[in-house]
Amino acid sequence: QSVLTQPPSASGTPGQRVTISCSGSSSNIGTNTVSWYQQIPGTAPKLLIYRNNQRPSGVPDRFSASKSGTSASLAISGLQSEDEADYYCATWHDSLNDWVFGGGTKLTVL
Amino acid sequence: QMQLQESGPGVVKPSETLSLICTVSGGSIWTSSYYWGWIRQPPGKGLEWIGNINFSGRTHDNPSLKSRVTISVDTSKNQFSLKLSSVTAADTAVYYCVRLAVTGTRYFDSWGQGTLVTVSS
Repeated sequence: QSVLTQPPSASGTPGQRVTISCSGSSSNIGTNTVSWYQQIPGTAPKLLIYRNNQRPSGVPDRFSASKSGTSASLAISGLQSEDEADYYCATWHDSLNDWVFGGGTKLTVL
Repeated sequence: QMQLQESGPGVVKPSETLSLICTVSGGSIWTSSYYWGWIRQPPGKGLEWIGNINFSGRTHDNPSLKSRVTISVDTSKNQFSLKLSSVTAADTAVYYCVRLAVTGTRYFDSWGQGTLVTVSS
């Protein structure tokens, strides 16, 4: 069981907008910033979002994210086939003194 | 461009020590802006943080790994390493070395390609 809760799967058709949620607690998301990672099958994870809603250079603006209270969400608009991947949220957990990840959401582009 | 590359044995026997090295290129390990760490991913499963180290050797490990973890840094070689003792089949995973940005907020901004380590006799 992951400390951060994500839906195991999500799907959409090309051009659609999909969102992926990440639910935590006051000890993790509630007090620390959230980052998101994209893992295309067979490759290493890649930083997608940092500091709750900031995109590194090179990440398309189709990717956006937000945080409210003890939850965060990732939105992908104008869905493309190349967005098919696993997506993970992550943050620091104060009382566990540990980095925690969501269980991952497998995004399928139909 | 920052690159991280893991190296080490692909198979380790149960009860022995897993040893991996991460070689950093495109930048110096000797920086206060980043920590250096390890994350693993069992086959078909999610990500687990193992621990990290800064350039001066200060470490921070996942408490759930019960002190089996040793992370060290060799600034002369621009490398850092992981040792995980008393391994079992549960330690079979792809091991990634990562760079952790620590200026302001924290996040893993660079990842190695990963190396699969199988624990098997």
